[in-house]
Amino acid sequence: GDSVTQMEGPVTLSEEAFLTINCTYTATGYPSLFWYVQYPGEGLQLLLKATKADDKGSNKGFEATYRKETTSFHLEKGSVQVSDSAVYFCALSDTGTASKLTFGTGTRLQVTL
Amino acid sequence: ETGVTQTPRHLVMGMTNKKSLKCEQHLGHNAMYWYKQSAKKPLELMFVYNFKEQTENNSVPSRFSPECPNSSHLFLHLHTLQPEDSALYLCASSQASRRTISPLHFGNGTRLTVT
Repeated sequence: GDSVTQMEGPVTLSEEAFLTINCTYTATGYPSLFWYVQYPGEGLQLLLKATKADDKGSNKGFEATYRKETTSFHLEKGSVQVSDSAVYFCALSDTGTASKLTFGTGTRLQVTL
Repeated sequence: ETGVTQTPRHLVMGMTNKKSLKCEQHLGHNAMYWYKQSAKKPLELMFVYNFKEQTENNSVPSRFSPECPNSSHLFLHLHTLQPEDSALYLCASSQASRRTISPLHFGNGTRLTVT
């Protein structure tokens, strides 16, 4: 079945540092890929997505590129802020009629001053 | 305002109680979902409703009983739960289509503690 593997956290960075959170996936078809973010006490929010190979999703300074050859969708940001502290989830979706997502376990990011 | 509202935010219940979680979406979506979020585990999809019809039940124990009276409301009825059922229960909605993958919109969740 489909699966998503994320790097284990927590990831602790100083403000303005470069961020990479690794994500690889296993899927039988051609999935769409997503990054969701969960701030403390809240539900998950869509951060960015990519629907086909070589697509780059971007939002709020975060980027991720759909790499079919390496089955990866790594999340990057050039300069993190304290407000980026949250849990980040990589996910994939099959091509069914309902958007059933397969999630990774999440990576907690803590940004300090 | 997230567009998906869940109540209550927190719930503590004994193993013999019966309670219900409520979810309402204001986005005009046609699909709704229940997910379970436990510490250090991937989110677990529990139920999917598409156009008010249940299309997915991921081997969820019968002590969890979903209800979707219309495309805007979703309930999760709970009875005789176990302590291991303590978790954050997340509701989500999306616009299901055969052509495109629509992102999920999540509520803030109900933090459930079973004592």
